[in-house]
Parts: sequence; structure tokens; C-alpha cells
Amino acid sequence: EVQLVESGGGLVQPGGSLRLSCAASGFTVSSNYMSWVRQAPGKGLEWVSVIYSGGSTYYADSVKGRFTISRDNSKNTLYLQMNSLRAEDTAVYYCAREYDYWGQGTLVTVSS
Amino acid sequence: QLVLTQSPSASASLGASVKLTCTLSSGHSSYAIAWHQQQPEKGPRYLMKLNSDGSHTKGDGIPDRFSGSSSGAERYLTISSLQSEDEADYYCQTWGTGIRVFGGGTKLTVL
Repeated sequence: EVQLVESGGGLVQPGGSLRLSCAASGFTVSSNYMSWVRQAPGKGLEWVSVIYSGGSTYYADSVKGRFTISRDNSKNTLYLQMNSLRAEDTAVYYCAREYDYWGQGTLVTVSS
Repeated sequence: QLVLTQSPSASASLGASVKLTCTLSSGHSSYAIAWHQQQPEKGPRYLMKLNSDGSHTKGDGIPDRFSGSSSGAERYLTISSLQSEDEADYYCQTWGTGIRVFGGGTKLTVL
């Protein structure tokens, strides 16, 4: 059974950093395209970043230069390192196996 | 620019059918999309991948009441025999090299 479990969310001050994790089971992360998607309170889904099976990475303009997507093949886990966080980064962050499985999400709140 | 357009809201009666539309931007009419459902206070759930020829692949456990079709740049999600649990937000998604795009979502109300 495919499962994705995010962790690492929380309250952080503007300018701070946070690393999100997404532990996968039932499939191999490195063999799939994996994405991070976020949803600000009361808003729609916004794509954040994708890592291809070959290792290429891509980012939405809103996070480029601040966020880094990566994976640990030995742990079958996807990560999102978020630096220089802003209030507008406040959202529930979901990891997803493109495009057919989603995690339950983890809340990131950026506030002083 | 790759853009998906959805109507913000739709409504239909319990037991009836509803057809939701997702429109691809000009020059992208051959793109496949995915439909996702998000029930209140829950995470998204994959419904199906829908190709430009109307063929579609549904996710695990998705009822036959959910079907997809295509016409030109339009991608449709039809839900028949509406049930109360179908009241949700529905998002379409597409992808290109290095980019993923979501539509703004359609909030479906079951009357």
C-alpha cells in the first residue's frame, strides 16, 4: 500500500528555516517524480517543487532560491528545505507522488 | 504560458449528475491533466488522469460514478448519482518540463 507521511511543520519566525520530510512506503521514491504542493489558508493548491527520478529539480518562481527539494534513497524519504521564510509561505505542505498519491499534509506557519 | 481555468463554483442536486470543466490555455490543447478531489478539512485525493483523446485512468477505489472526457482544450469531470460526500473542491492539474500547474479549483455544492 502506498503511503506518504509528512512531518517537520511548525511555527517559525520570518527569515527562519524549516525542513519538511515525507516518508514514503509501498514504492520507491527515487524511481518516481515527487512533488511538494502547498495550500495557504482558504486558498487553492499551489505547486512548489518537483524532483525527477533522474535527479533534476525544479521550483515555482515564488520559492526559487529559497527552497531546496531533495531525497534520501536509503530512507526512501523526500525533503523540502525552506530558508528565508516569509509570511506568505504559511500553508499546509503536501508531498505527492506524481500525480496519483498525496500525503496528509503538514502545517507551516510563518509569524513573529 | 501554461494555465488551467476552472469555474469557481458549481451545484447540483442529490442523485443528479454534474459536469465540471477545466480549460487548457492556448497552444496546450494536447496536454493530459489529472483531476483531484479535496473534501472539507482533508487532503487532496487523486481521481483520474485524463488524456486529450478522452481516455482516462482512475485512482484506486474511485467509483464508476466518476468519469472523464475531453474536447479540444476542454477537460471534463462528470460525477453521476451525486452523493453528499461528493461535496468538495475539485482541482485539475497539468504538467510540462519543469513546471506543474493547478487550476483554481471548483467548489461543488450538493443540494
